[in-house]
Amino acid sequence: GENVEQHPSTLSVQEGDSAVIKCTYSDSASNYFPWYKQELGKRPQLIIDIRSNVGEKKDQRIAVTLNKTAKHFSLHITETQPEDSAVYFCAALNQAGTALIFGKGTTLSVSS
Amino acid sequence: NAGVTQTPKFRILKIGQSMTLQCAQDMNHNYMYWYRQDPGMGLKLIYYSVGAGITDKGEVPNGYNVSRSTTEDFPLRLELAAPSQTSVYFCASSYGGNQPQHFGDGTRLSIL
Repeated sequence: GENVEQHPSTLSVQEGDSAVIKCTYSDSASNYFPWYKQELGKRPQLIIDIRSNVGEKKDQRIAVTLNKTAKHFSLHITETQPEDSAVYFCAALNQAGTALIFGKGTTLSVSS
Repeated sequence: NAGVTQTPKFRILKIGQSMTLQCAQDMNHNYMYWYRQDPGMGLKLIYYSVGAGITDKGEVPNGYNVSRSTTEDFPLRLELAAPSQTSVYFCASSYGGNQPQHFGDGTRLSIL
C-alpha cells in the first residue's frame, strides 16, 4: 500500500545548527509534498510544500528538496532557534490525488 | 475569517455512548478531512470528502461515520464509543487534494 517513511523520529540540535529531516514515499505518481509543524497541544500548520515539477524550494530559513527518481524529499532548517522546537510531519499526495499520506513525525528539540 | 472550527474542544464519554464531533469551514473548500492523533503519534485519516454528498473511507474508518450535506459542514459520528477511540480528533479542509490543508484546533476526546 501507499506509505511515507520519515526519519529520524527525534532530533536534538544546538541553537544555530542546521536540522535535516528525510522522508521517502512509495507511490511514484505522488506529485505534492507538504511539510507541517505541530507545536505541543496545537494544530498542525503548513510551513512549506513542493510540487513534483521543481527540485527545491526555499522560504527564509526553511528549504525542501525533492528527488523524484529516488522517491525522497527532505526538510532543511538553517540557523535553528528554540522556537523551531516542535513535531514536524512530512506528507505525500496519494495516487488518487484526494488525500495526504503522513509520515509518523520527527520531534525536533533546539537547545540554547 | 474563522477558518476551520471544531466543537466541542474537550469531551469525556462513557463506553457505549454516542456523540457527534462538529466541523465547519468558511473558506468554501471542497475537500474536508477527519484525522485522529493518538498521544505521541502521527495523523491517521478516518474519512474524507471531496465535495457535498461525497465521502470516502481513510485508513481507520471502523467505529465512525460521516456525512457531507453542505460544503461548509463535515460532522463525524461515533457510535458505541470504545476506550480505543480516546484520541485528539482534527478536522481539516482544502481547495483540492494537492492544495494546503487547513486544520482546526482539534477535539480532545476521552472515553472511560
